[in-house]
Amino acid sequence: QITLKESGPTLVKPTQTLTLTCTFSGFSLSTSGVGVGWIRQPPGKALEWLALIYWNDDKRYSPSLKSRLTITKDTSKNQVVLTMTNMDPVDTATYYCAHRVAVAGDWFDPWGQGTLVTVSS
Amino acid sequence: NFMLTQPHSVSESPGKTVTISCTGSSGSIASNYVQWYQQRPGSAPTTVIYEDNQRPSGVPDRFSGSIDSSSNSASLTISGLKTEDEADYYCQSYDSTYVVFGGGTKLTVL
Repeated sequence: QITLKESGPTLVKPTQTLTLTCTFSGFSLSTSGVGVGWIRQPPGKALEWLALIYWNDDKRYSPSLKSRLTITKDTSKNQVVLTMTNMDPVDTATYYCAHRVAVAGDWFDPWGQGTLVTVSS
Repeated sequence: NFMLTQPHSVSESPGKTVTISCTGSSGSIASNYVQWYQQRPGSAPTTVIYEDNQRPSGVPDRFSGSIDSSSNSASLTISGLKTEDEADYYCQSYDSTYVVFGGGTKLTVL
């Protein structure tokens, strides 16, 4: 059974850097084809893909947020970390990590429960 | 950048059939697989259709997916609507460099 759980601060100040950790079980990020993605959802709004890291350390970023995002993995700890710099109130959202299904194409299943991050001074 | 456009909302009565569209902005939507996620209030999304028309185990066969290349769109069809189907539905696809979600469709079953 694959499970993922997000952790990190619930409140950050504007201009600060957000660091979120996704801790997972039931799969290994050293297995060919596997990946972990981050997706966010502002309150009452749509899902927005942020980043994706693959088993081979290849990385993909949302074009609109690329300059602010960094995704890394620690295979030994079964963790993926997302950092987002220069946080703004518009970045207030629930942040999800999700398992990239290791077949053709990029899609996600299952997802973590999500963690709400509020950006406010 | 490639975008996916969905209707903001749809509504239908229990027992009826509803179709939610997802239109690609450029290129061919048939070039890469389309997925559909269901999200109930307060919960994380779950997959109802993957790889255009495949159902994960546990998803009832009332849910089906299709691709129409002529309109460059994907569709999610739910037949025999139940009140429990009321949720937000998101389409999702990708290209070689990034992943894209549609804007979501709120399905009301009334």
